Amino acid sequence: DTAVSQTPKYLVTQMGNDKSIKCEQNLGHDTMYWYKQDSKKFLKIMFSYNNKELIINETVPNRFSPKSPDKAHLNLHINSLELGDSAVYFCASSQDRWQGALSYGYTFGSGTRLTVV
Amino acid sequence: KQEVTQIPAALSVPEGENLVLNCSFTDSAIYNLQWFRQDPGKGLTSLLLIQSSQREQTSGRLNASLDKSSGRSTLYIAASQPGDSATYLCADINNNDMRFGAGTRLTVKP
Repeated sequence: DTAVSQTPKYLVTQMGNDKSIKCEQNLGHDTMYWYKQDSKKFLKIMFSYNNKELIINETVPNRFSPKSPDKAHLNLHINSLELGDSAVYFCASSQDRWQGALSYGYTFGSGTRLTVV
Repeated sequence: KQEVTQIPAALSVPEGENLVLNCSFTDSAIYNLQWFRQDPGKGLTSLLLIQSSQREQTSGRLNASLDKSSGRSTLYIAASQPGDSATYLCADINNNDMRFGAGTRLTVKP
C-alpha cells in the first residue's frame, strides 16, 4: 500500500517523559511535514523537510525535534512532555520541492493521538 | 476566524450518477484551497489544489471550482463509481496552515 504511515496511532504517556513518533512515506516524495491539530479541523504546521533538509521550523518549543534519516522518513521526538502537548499530530508528504501546503500530491498520515497524563 | 462548512454531511447515490459536493467559507478572503479524499482508517490524499489566482481545476472525472466572491467551492464528480466511496474534505490553506471542513461522506451504490 502506497501511503504515509505514522506509528504509533495512540500514545499515552506521563509528564516529563521523552517520546518519538515515526513517519514513513513510500510515495517517492521529496518533502515531508509535521502538523499539530490545534483545534478541531485546524492543522498548524510545525516542521517541513525537503530531502533531509529542514526548510520550515515554525515557533514550537525546542522540546520538539524533527529528525530525517532519509527523505522517506521524518520522525518527531518530544522531550520532557507536558500536559499541553496532548493533541493529534499529523505527518504529511508532497511531491513538489517546495510549495509548502500549495504542493500537489499532498498526502497525510492518519494521525497520532498523543495523551500526556 | 475562518469557518469551513461542508454540505451535505453524507450523500448516497447510485453508480453512474453525477454529483456535487459543497464547501463554504465564512471569510471570503480564501487564499488557496485543496480538496482531499479520506478512505476509512487511512490518511488524507489531495485530489485537487486551486491556488489563489485560479478558479478551477480538473483531474479525470473530478472538477473543483472556487468562487471567492461568494466564499464557496464545489467538487463535481462525473459518472460516479463505487470506488469513489470515501469522505471528501475541503481545506482553506493560509501560510501552510490548513483549516478543514467536517467532510462529506459519499457512498456510491453499485
